[in-house]
Amino acid sequence: GAVVSQHPSRVICKSGTSVKIECRSLDFQATTMFWYRQFPKQSLMLMATSNEGSKATYEQGVEKDKFLINHASLTLSTLTVTSAHPEDSSFYICSACSREGQETQYFGPGTRLLVL
Amino acid sequence: QKEVEQNSGPLSVPEGAIASLNCTYSDRGSQSFFWYRQYSGKSPELIMSIYSNGDKEDGRFTAQLNKASQYVSLLIRDSQPSDSATYLCAVNPSGGSYIPTFGRGTSLIVHP
Repeated sequence: GAVVSQHPSRVICKSGTSVKIECRSLDFQATTMFWYRQFPKQSLMLMATSNEGSKATYEQGVEKDKFLINHASLTLSTLTVTSAHPEDSSFYICSACSREGQETQYFGPGTRLLVL
Repeated sequence: QKEVEQNSGPLSVPEGAIASLNCTYSDRGSQSFFWYRQYSGKSPELIMSIYSNGDKEDGRFTAQLNKASQYVSLLIRDSQPSDSATYLCAVNPSGGSYIPTFGRGTSLIVHP
């Protein structure tokens, strides 16, 4: 149980385009989903927390207009990187908590974004 | 500022030995503690959670929690080369928030 998927696993795009990443909880309902970013050899950096049906809460320094988060259902959250630039190239990872086990986060496999 | 500290390593142990990974945290009221394993280029994978003082064993892994001293550790018995990874300690803060604070991780290398 507690499986989280992400799509796509890898994306390469041109500078200025927008990229949408999907995060799904496959076998549980996720009341809360988290989006992280991780640069090579660095620690996880929390970008935002999203609760189903409400606006995401962004961490300090994360531009909400650049990183659009939608948590439309209890099994799906999306992160859209708008007008991507090379400095947005990173490993984006989502995680989800279930209703029953809210203390525990289960991570998706991650999406590697490369902006040319 | 709630902090979770880990030695970045690398911690190098021979195959078959016990690997001991340590983590200290600043929020005295924290109640939930987690260990994740992250292989290079992959996302973190939950290994264990622990909520009460003492030891919790799961296969070759043992998590140890000491709330009075504010540390949590992970022991890996009979270490295998496949255990080579970065181990992340995560601590849920007091006050009911489910947004954990992650340590920077300890790199473990198990050499044959």
